[in-house]
Amino acid sequence: EAQVTQNPRYLITVTGKKLTVTCSQNMNHEYMSWYRQDPGLGLRQIYYSMNVEVTDKGDVPEGYKVSRKEKRNFPLILESPSPNQTSLYFCASGVDRNNQPQHFGDGTRLSIL
Amino acid sequence: ELKVEQNPLFLSMQEGKNYTIYCNYSTTSDRLYWYRQDPGKSLESLFVLLSNGAVKQEGRLMASLDTKARLSTLHITAAVHDLSATYFCAVDDMRFGAGTRLTVKP
Repeated sequence: EAQVTQNPRYLITVTGKKLTVTCSQNMNHEYMSWYRQDPGLGLRQIYYSMNVEVTDKGDVPEGYKVSRKEKRNFPLILESPSPNQTSLYFCASGVDRNNQPQHFGDGTRLSIL
Repeated sequence: ELKVEQNPLFLSMQEGKNYTIYCNYSTTSDRLYWYRQDPGKSLESLFVLLSNGAVKQEGRLMASLDTKARLSTLHITAAVHDLSATYFCAVDDMRFGAGTRLTVKP
């Protein structure tokens, strides 16, 4: 089954404790991206990757890091999480960034205390 | 900077009625996507509109794109309860609107 898998689905942690949210896709997609969803703001793109070893900032990259060492994986790293990063996070993948819609993971709800 | 505005943000409708959700964007683009999100769930692709005048229909939903007006519409015909969800438009598939929360009441 074609899917985008995020882990964990839920996480409560404390300010400053490094965390990683993993994202893996099994569709051989070249394009992957991370979004955060906050009430009234829709989805805002954090980072995206056009291919292995190619990443670029989205609209809200501050406080986040990503890496794309393999085609299937695109982890999101919060080196020193802060309460304003409490949000619902979605990973997505697509054939490319041009003509095809993205496939979204089930989401990760992060609470930073 | 590309801005995407959806209207309305909240929509409560009776079953059987028609309504339109609007998506305006601020810069030139010919790629517009519509997604659906059920409460607590992920986003599901509904329509991909890739050229001026593009129209796509699926069941009771029809989406259109006017690139000259920088406007896309999602028209709901004879709404049913199962259409209750939040609908997002996305320009260039990376800049999303705030979403329209649709509730269809019996």
